[in-house]
Parts: sequence; structure tokens; C-alpha cells
Amino acid sequence: DVKVTQSSRYLVKRTGEKVFLECVQDMDHENMFWYRQDPGLGLRLIYFSYDVKMKEKGDIPEGYSVSREKKERFSLILESASTNQTSMYLCASRPLRTESSYNSPLHFGNGTRLTVT
Amino acid sequence: EDQVTQSPEALRLQEGESSSLNCSYTVSGLRGLFWYRQDPGKGPEFLFTLYSAGEEKEKERLKATLTKKESFLHITAPKPEDSATYLCAVQAPHTNAGKSTFGDGTTLTVKP
Repeated sequence: DVKVTQSSRYLVKRTGEKVFLECVQDMDHENMFWYRQDPGLGLRLIYFSYDVKMKEKGDIPEGYSVSREKKERFSLILESASTNQTSMYLCASRPLRTESSYNSPLHFGNGTRLTVT
Repeated sequence: EDQVTQSPEALRLQEGESSSLNCSYTVSGLRGLFWYRQDPGKGPEFLFTLYSAGEEKEKERLKATLTKKESFLHITAPKPEDSATYLCAVQAPHTNAGKSTFGDGTTLTVKP
């Protein structure tokens, strides 16, 4: 089974702090994603990466950056945390779109609930 | 812009009372429609993928169907363990990663 592991289940940070959320997957997937989930707003894509050192902005990238130095690890960085970034953050992975894995589903971690005070 | 709307927001059923969840979508060039289940405090877990109108998939008490504008998740004789939030997502072509757009979900509660 694919395993996507997020390093923290709960985090509490102060406004202005730099925050790192880490995600590791063990299935050699090329594509990795960061979503945030808020009541009434659903899952919104922040950033995604389709290869090492490659990244693309999602729908709500403002206030965030990402890093992918190794294939299995995708980090989300909040440069200066603000209270409106309090949310559930979900990491996901998916294999490269090929004949055998065309449009395969996302595999999610269990999320990091971040509170910024 | 791709859009996904799920209804109802919340659904309460008695054990054994069958019902359906709706997912309406607009997307340029549908590459797949996905159903996920999410339990409280956990990440979404994949249930089904549907690719073309008329397609159906089944798993235990769940059956997913697809038309050109919407998908239904039918739940037959539900049990309390089916209680969860059910998410629908559509995928449009975007680079190699395949960007998914999610609906807000339907929270299902099944009472014994």
C-alpha cells in the first residue's frame, strides 16, 4: 500500500514564525501535492510538483512556498505564518501519468492541523 | 474554470435506509471523476474512478454512476460504519501532474 506520511498531526505556531510542513511518500511517485482543507471551502490546491526541483502554483499559493529536493519528500513552507493560515493541510501523491497509471487517484496523508495564534 | 458542486451538504439516514449523493461538475475535457471517503481526523481515501458517461462502479454497499454533467454515489442499506464525508473530484489535463478540483463534500451520518 502507498504510504504518505506527514511529520506532524498537530502544530501550534505564532504569527510571524516560519513554519515547515513535511511530507514523505514511499511509492516512488513523481507527482506530489499540498492542499488545505477548510469548512465550507473544501480542498484547495496550494502547490504541486511533478518532478524533483520542479513546482507549480496551485489555486492559492500566496503566503506559501515549497521545496522538493528529493523525489520522496515535499515540503510546504509558510514564510511568515498568519492567523488566516490556520487550517488542515493535506499532502498527496500520484504516479506520473502513463498508459498504466493514467489518471490514477491521489494518495493522501492524514493531515497536519496547523493553528496560528 | 473547473467547478464541482456536491449535494446535500449533510445527510442523516437510519441504518438500512438507502439514498444517493450528488456531484455536479463543469470541466473542460474531463479526464476522470473520483470519489473519496474521509473519516474525521484522516486524509481522504480513494473509492472509485469514473471516466465516461454511462460508466458504473460498485464496492460493497456503494455504487457510483456518471453522466455528462453529474455523478451519483448510491448507498444501499447503509450501516453506521458508512458514516463519513464523501468527496467528489474531477481531473482536467494540466501538465503531467493532473490537477484535481474537489467539491466541498457530503457528510453522511448513519444512525443504528
